[in-house]
Amino acid sequence: GQNIDQPTEMTATEGAIVQINCTYQTSGFNGLFWYQQHAGEAPTFLSYNVLDGLEEKGRFSSFLSRSKGYSYLLLKELQMKDSASYLCAVSNTGGFKTIFGAGTRLFVKA
Amino acid sequence: DAGVTQSPTHLIKTRGQQVTLRCSPKSGHDTVSWYQQALGQGPQFIFQYYEEEERQRGNFPDRFSGHQFPNYSSELNVNALLLGDSALYLCASSLVGTSGGFTDTQYFGPGTRLTVL
Repeated sequence: GQNIDQPTEMTATEGAIVQINCTYQTSGFNGLFWYQQHAGEAPTFLSYNVLDGLEEKGRFSSFLSRSKGYSYLLLKELQMKDSASYLCAVSNTGGFKTIFGAGTRLFVKA
Repeated sequence: DAGVTQSPTHLIKTRGQQVTLRCSPKSGHDTVSWYQQALGQGPQFIFQYYEEEERQRGNFPDRFSGHQFPNYSSELNVNALLLGDSALYLCASSLVGTSGGFTDTQYFGPGTRLTVL
């Protein structure tokens, strides 16, 4: 079967670092995406990993281990505006279909 | 550079009716995917269109159908609406790469909020 697991909710403090984990089991793999979604809005692209390792983009980094079916999104220097849902998504072989996890709601408190 | 656009923004229908949602992809994109997102859930893949053909389909009944036009825009049709079809419907566009059907990053439109009464 195909399954993507990520924690339902996390809470962190402004200025801190938070790591959101994602594990996946999918039929075929053509890359893993992280999206941010604020309430009532569309998902916006954050990062893409297709090879093992860490991809860094400003305050956001994403890590992938294909052998373990595992990824994480690291958010540094948290800001209040980072309060949102973070969606982990895996694209299947050929990239024809993308499976999304249920999302992790992150609450950033002062 | 125009992003992905969707219409209408909101829609209210009653059970048994039919609905058509529309999507224009980001400039330069040729592939459109449709998703259904229930409240508090991640987007669920409905289907993907490329070169005016349905390339892959998720676990949705035949009541859900689509179309892609020569200008790459797309429509999602849902027949015989059920209360459970109430959701945010998202369209995402991407560009097919030149190697092996690889799909580039998907960019989402603002969505259509469908309410079925």
